[in-house]
Amino acid sequence: DAKTTQPPSMDCAEGRAANLPCNHSTISGNEYVYWYRQIHSQGPQYIIHGLKNNETNEMASLIITEDRKSSTLILPHATLRDTAVYYCIVRVGGGVETSGSRLTFGEGTQLTVNP
Amino acid sequence: DAGVTQSPTHLIKTRGQQVTLRCSPKSGHDTVSWYQQALGQGPQFIFQYYEEEERQRGNFPDRFSGHQFPNYSSELNVNALLLGDSALYLCASSPRGGNTEAFFGQGTRLTVV
Repeated sequence: DAKTTQPPSMDCAEGRAANLPCNHSTISGNEYVYWYRQIHSQGPQYIIHGLKNNETNEMASLIITEDRKSSTLILPHATLRDTAVYYCIVRVGGGVETSGSRLTFGEGTQLTVNP
Repeated sequence: DAGVTQSPTHLIKTRGQQVTLRCSPKSGHDTVSWYQQALGQGPQFIFQYYEEEERQRGNFPDRFSGHQFPNYSSELNVNALLLGDSALYLCASSPRGGNTEAFFGQGTRLTVV
């Protein structure tokens, strides 16, 4: 799986949008971008994933650049409960021998939402 | 749906002992992966099970072994515990194949003294 690079920490004001960047310049054509977050001492939680098109769900939006070498996770209205470590993960998708439960985590970005 | 459940939540063992951790996957999931997360680091993949066999393995010694049962639940065994094995052990489940997300349990906090 391709390696990702994220800033170690970011701050955001409550109610404002949080934009978390991720670089994955060695991504291959069949690799998806996944985002998970981990609130202190809990198991990681899936947020969103995409291949090349922008994606949106009830939690966040994922913007992937046209060359797919970077992406941005957007939390539109951050709350204090969004304070967590956010992991950007690139993994091969599809195929019967793959599984979503095999993930390569980096160090992630510690997002702190301030009141 | 109870999601992924792990037991116990906390455990203290003595160096040299053996430990068994347990995981029940989310309903409908047949694949289970185990992760070790040291303090301040991201989770590290240990191994993955489906159809009751180890299918993929990360860079962990043979002291780490596992098992998957016909009902898809799984165990992680660690022999000859070292102080460095102290960590949060996470279990994740997903259906096999496709671009699916993984569901994680809350983890077992293992302390080796």
